Amino acid sequence: AQTVTQSQPEMSVQEAETVTLSCTYDTSESDYYLFWYKQPPSRQMILVIRQEAYKQQNATENRFSVNFQKAAKSFSLKISDSQLGDAAMYFCASLLNNNDMRFGAGTRLTVKP
Amino acid sequence: ETGVTQTPRHLVMGMTNKKSLKCEQHLGHNAMYWYKQSAKKPLELMFVYSLEERVENNSVPSRFSPECPNSSHLFLHLHTLQPEDSALYLCASSQVGEETQYFGPGTRLLVL
Repeated sequence: AQTVTQSQPEMSVQEAETVTLSCTYDTSESDYYLFWYKQPPSRQMILVIRQEAYKQQNATENRFSVNFQKAAKSFSLKISDSQLGDAAMYFCASLLNNNDMRFGAGTRLTVKP
Repeated sequence: ETGVTQTPRHLVMGMTNKKSLKCEQHLGHNAMYWYKQSAKKPLELMFVYSLEERVENNSVPSRFSPECPNSSHLFLHLHTLQPEDSALYLCASSQVGEETQYFGPGTRLLVL
C-alpha cells in the first residue's frame, strides 16, 4: 500500500518570502509519480508541479520547485516570492502505474501581506 | 467549455432520493475518475475508468453507481445515501500513458 503524509496542517508566509511545505510518502514501487496540487477556496484542484521518480533532477515551475529525495521518500515543495494568490490548501500526491493516486491530508497555506 | 466540468455544483438531497452527478471532460482524455473529499480527510479515490472500462472500485458502497457511456462523460448515480456521504465529489481526467490528472470544480453534496 502507498501512503502520503503531510505533517504540517497549517503554514504561513510573509508576502515575497519563501516557504517550504513537507511531504513524505511510502511505497514499495520503484516507478511512480509525485504531484503537488493546489486547492484555493473555489475548491478547484490545480496542478502545481509533478515529478517522475526515475528523474534525479528536481522539477521546477517558475516560483515553484521541489526537493525530491528518493531514498528518504521525501518530496517537499518550495514556493519562492510568495504572492497573496498562493494562499490555498496544498496537497501532495503519489501515483503508481495502476491509476491509484493517493493524497496527503493537505497543508493550509496563509500568505500575510 | 474547456477543461473538466461538473454539474450540478451544489446538491441537497434526502436519504430516499435518487440523483446523478455529471462530469464532462473537453481535453480529449481517455481515463476518468471520481474522488470523494470529506472534511478533515484526504481525497479518496472511488472509481477509475480507463478506455471506458472500470478498472478500480476501492470498495465503494453500492449506493454509489458509476457510469461511463463514452470517454468524455462520467456519471455518478446516487441512491439511498447517508448523511456521512455529504462531501465534495471531484471528477478528474487524464490521458492513458500521461499521468497528470486534471480536476473539475466538484459537486458539493449535502445529504439530509
